[in-house]
Amino acid sequence: GENVEQHPSTLSVQEGDSAVIKCTYSDSASNYFPWYKQELGKRPQLIIDIRSNVGEKKDQRIAVTLNKTAKHFSLHITETQPEDSAVYFCAARTTSGTYKYIFGTGTRLKVLA
Amino acid sequence: GAGVSQSPRYKVAKRGQDVALRCDPISGHVSLFWYQQALGQGPEFLTYFQNEAQLDKSGLPSDRFFAERPEGSVSTLKIQRTQQEDSAVYLCASSSGAQLNYGYTFGSGTRLTVV
Repeated sequence: GENVEQHPSTLSVQEGDSAVIKCTYSDSASNYFPWYKQELGKRPQLIIDIRSNVGEKKDQRIAVTLNKTAKHFSLHITETQPEDSAVYFCAARTTSGTYKYIFGTGTRLKVLA
Repeated sequence: GAGVSQSPRYKVAKRGQDVALRCDPISGHVSLFWYQQALGQGPEFLTYFQNEAQLDKSGLPSDRFFAERPEGSVSTLKIQRTQQEDSAVYLCASSSGAQLNYGYTFGSGTRLTVV
């Protein structure tokens, strides 16, 4: 079945350093890949997304890259700040029927001041 | 409304009790999704509505779970005879269309604890 693997499960970085989270997906027909940030007890919030016809997208300190051949996409956060600390989820959207998302298992990012 | 609203925010149910969770999507949003998020895990798909039609219920874990959206707006997720493994956060999301251009907006969720 459809599956998204996410690594690492936890990540600690010093403030100002970069953080990279990686995901792989199984359904080669997936064509939309959002990233969500979830703070403790709060709703997941979309921070960036990428579509399958694009290889890279940037928004200030955040960037996402997509390698369709390898079925792999990554989130890059530069100049990390303490407020970046949260759980990050990647997802792949199916193209059949409902356009549901298959989520990864999450990465807990801690930015140490 | 300004966002996706879910109620109640927290629900404690005794094992065997029935519960009903409400989702009020963003006004005019066609698509509505329910997800289940267990502690420390990513959200898992439960069911999808396009307007009032339930087009996909493949993620509902058992026939104790039932969802409806009778007028194409508010949706209710009902769980009958709750069990401890039903304890999770239930997230509702809506989007303005079914097509590629539209992303989800999630509600804050209902945290269900079955004791």
